[in-house]
Amino acid sequence: NAGVTQTPKFQVLKTGQSMTLQCAQDMNHEYMSWYRQDPGMGLRLIHYSVGAGITDQGEVPNGYNVSRSTTEDFPLRLLSAAPSQTSVYFCASSYSALGSYEQYFGPGTRLTVT
Amino acid sequence: GDSVTQMEGPVTLSEEAFLTINCTYTATGYPSLFWYVQYPGEGLQLLLKATKADDKGSNKGFEATYRKETTSFHLEKGSVQVSDSAVYFCALNMEYGNKLVFGAGTILRVKS
Repeated sequence: NAGVTQTPKFQVLKTGQSMTLQCAQDMNHEYMSWYRQDPGMGLRLIHYSVGAGITDQGEVPNGYNVSRSTTEDFPLRLLSAAPSQTSVYFCASSYSALGSYEQYFGPGTRLTVT
Repeated sequence: GDSVTQMEGPVTLSEEAFLTINCTYTATGYPSLFWYVQYPGEGLQLLLKATKADDKGSNKGFEATYRKETTSFHLEKGSVQVSDSAVYFCALNMEYGNKLVFGAGTILRVKS
C-alpha cells in the first residue's frame, strides 16, 4: 500500500503559468480533499470530492479547478498561477467508518510562484 | 461557521517536562475532534481522535479528552522527548464529505 502519493514534491512557476498537481490513493477511499498550508493559518480546504464524478468547493477555491474521473485520482489544476498561491499543498483521502472520518495525508507539494 | 482555536507557539520545553497545548472549538453540532502532528518536512499524521463527548483519545503517550461543556480538546503528555518536536494541529469534522477545519497549529520544540 503506497497510501496517498503526490507529485511533484517541489515546483517553481512564473506568474500566469498553469500546472496540475497530481494526487493518487490506493486505499479505495471515497473521499478526497485538497488543502493548502500557509504559515500561521493552519490548513485550509480548497476543493473536495465525495466520490468519482462529484466535487465541491471548500473555503479557498478561487484560482483552482479539480475533477474526479476515477476513485484513485484527484488532480488539482492551477489555471493562471499568482504569487498568492505560493504555499504547501496537501492531498488527503478518507472513508467513513463509525462516523470518525479519519483522513490520510500525502507528503505535500511545495509550490513557489514568482 | 465552525472554527478551531489553538494556543500560539512556539512552545519550548525541556525533555521530560509536562506538555499541554490548548484547543477550543466552535461548532453548531457535535463534531469529531482530532489532533494531527507534522514532523519537519513531512505531511500530517493523525495522532489521536475522539468522536463524542467525554471520549479520551490517546496515542504515543499523548492524551486529549473531548469536553463538550467547555468545547475543548486539550492535548497533554506527561513527559516529552526531543523526538516530539513538531507542529501540532487541532481539527474538527462534522459534515458529510470529510471537511476538516484546522487550527493554526502550535510549534513544539523540546530541548535535551
